[in-house]
Amino acid sequence: AQTVTQSQPEMSVQEAETVTLSCTYDTSESDYYLFWYKQPPSRQMILVIRQEAYKQQNATENRFSVNFQKAAKSFSLKISDSQLGDAAMYFCASLLTGGGNKLTFGTGTQLKVEL
Amino acid sequence: DVKVTQSSRYLVKRTGEKVFLECVQDMDHENMFWYRQDPGLGLRLIYFSYDVKMKEKGDIPEGYSVSREKKERFSLILESASTNQTSMYLCASSLGGWSMNTEAFFGQGTRLTVV
Repeated sequence: AQTVTQSQPEMSVQEAETVTLSCTYDTSESDYYLFWYKQPPSRQMILVIRQEAYKQQNATENRFSVNFQKAAKSFSLKISDSQLGDAAMYFCASLLTGGGNKLTFGTGTQLKVEL
Repeated sequence: DVKVTQSSRYLVKRTGEKVFLECVQDMDHENMFWYRQDPGLGLRLIYFSYDVKMKEKGDIPEGYSVSREKKERFSLILESASTNQTSMYLCASSLGGWSMNTEAFFGQGTRLTVV
């Protein structure tokens, strides 16, 4: 079984500042994938960034980057130069390569962006 | 663009009714999923299907069934709706197998209220 924990139900950030959302996971598997999804008020889930467990290098997508600490089973998301459009619910998710293609999600972090 | 379309954005049903939630994807994806989203609980997997007529239980299948007669369509059935099934339901699809180039695509969700 795999579990994903997001300990911050809500976070706030000032526009143009940087914010880090936390995620920890628990699995005994050695190969897996990790994802961050964004859900704006429209409810449409959008993939933000993904990381494969065996890759040491942290993934980056424009203003979004991750800090992947495999030994600590930590997968945090950093948003730089925050914009109003970044306001959304963010979900961390994990996938085991032999796990039947199921994504396991955390409980989400609601991010507010303030002027 | 991949499209995952859920038949209704909002639905109100009475206790005891049989409820069908429909999901259609247009990218020939093998895998399809039904999740339930509740505040503070994140997304929880109800059922998934990796091929036509194939299905597997997720983490919370009780009170639900599914049907996949055609590759593009995956239906979630509430045999006898109850008030504790009031929730947001999200459908997703993905290619068969997983790699760093695949991702799950989501519909816009159906907010179901059982009265």
